[in-house]
Amino acid sequence: DAGITQSPRHKVTETGTPVTLRCHQTENHRYMYWYRQDPGHGLRLIHYSYGVKDTDKGEVSDGYSVSRSKTEDFLLTLESATSSQTSVYFCAISDRSNTEAFFGQGTRLTVV
Amino acid sequence: AQSVTQLDSHVSVSEGTPVLLRCNYSSSYSPSLFWYVQHPNKGLQLLLKYTSAATLVKGINGFEAEFKKSETSFHLTKPSAHMSDAAEYFCVVSGSSNTGKLIFGQGTTLQVKP
Repeated sequence: DAGITQSPRHKVTETGTPVTLRCHQTENHRYMYWYRQDPGHGLRLIHYSYGVKDTDKGEVSDGYSVSRSKTEDFLLTLESATSSQTSVYFCAISDRSNTEAFFGQGTRLTVV
Repeated sequence: AQSVTQLDSHVSVSEGTPVLLRCNYSSSYSPSLFWYVQHPNKGLQLLLKYTSAATLVKGINGFEAEFKKSETSFHLTKPSAHMSDAAEYFCVVSGSSNTGKLIFGQGTTLQVKP
């Protein structure tokens, strides 16, 4: 597996609380992504980064923010968690555009 | 804008019979295309990729896919299904030329019956 670590792997949180998920890579890849996976929707892009401090929104970015202060770390924050954000979150990395991405093992988040 | 449609949400085959998972794409430029596999409660693994070289692409575990520009298709095939092939499969298209975004299809669940 590519050197991608997501933490935590599982989390249960209450509605209205902030939550931060971490993605750490050891591959020195330029691009990093956060996706969420929900039944019937495949994977949908939340935010992505194309360099340190360079981020942009994906198709389902509402309620989420990201930060990338170092090449190796990409943080996803749910500002005020809602039940609709219960999902499995995947981090991915790639070293250039138009090529494959490598995925972490996922974080299962439950908002109660 | 780029998009991808997987034509079957669920495919069931018997062990030892051929597998066909269908994917059509839409792209305003020459895309890169990928198939990923996800076994239950696991992450995603790259099966194969097309990046404008040979149109017939061979991947891991005996899978292959053919890029057909005239049909805007990238169907995944395997001559003989194995029980371990039971998983969810995703067809993916590159989102644009400079962001590296990947656009996923909704997935096809492959069931393999003994």
